[in-house]
Amino acid sequence: AAGVIQSPRHLIKEKRETATLKCYPIPRHDTVYWYQQGPGQDPQFLISFYEKMQSDKGSIPDRFSAQQFSDYHSELNMSSLELGDSALYFCASSLSNTHEQFFGPGTRLTVL
Amino acid sequence: GDSVTQMEGPVTLSEEAFLTINCTYTATGYPSLFWYVQYPGEGLQLLLKATKADDKGSNKGFEATYRKETTSFHLEKGSVQVSDSAVYFCALRHQGGSEKLVFGKGTKLTVNP
Repeated sequence: AAGVIQSPRHLIKEKRETATLKCYPIPRHDTVYWYQQGPGQDPQFLISFYEKMQSDKGSIPDRFSAQQFSDYHSELNMSSLELGDSALYFCASSLSNTHEQFFGPGTRLTVL
Repeated sequence: GDSVTQMEGPVTLSEEAFLTINCTYTATGYPSLFWYVQYPGEGLQLLLKATKADDKGSNKGFEATYRKETTSFHLEKGSVQVSDSAVYFCALRHQGGSEKLVFGKGTKLTVNP
């Protein structure tokens, strides 16, 4: 069965650089979520999209932005990167009105 | 706001031991409850879920029962294996409104042969 695809899997950036993370949801899933998991921490919700519209917003810094495109893939854009942005970034997708979010393998971002 | 509290780890058990990881939640209304498992270097996998009071979720020998009276969703397994070594996250999803998952801090389980 198709799963959520995230790219890249690993990314190394310098401080103040920008990064773009991509997420390809499971086919026919209409909702995408982004989570950030710091080292040894629980995942924290950043933002979600339903049918290409932002549906909820969590603790996402103003330096970050995201969108969902017409093919339902989503991108998380991160600017002015800080050391504290080093984390595992998960994308999850779901079919609306269901109770299950399927997670991708994550993108490990390291900011040096 | 909604929150999840789970027992702190790490938890170390011998193979075939009984496992309990406690999880309690605070939420308005009737959230859905989940256990996710994260193996080393991997993403989150849904282990089991329950969507209403008294529901029992089960998978791969793991079980958890949605107890509204005690706001709990404790994870249990009768006989753990070395391959169960992972970090376990309890999570809730509020019904209606926000669909985000709220996670507990995670419990690291190590099973020794």
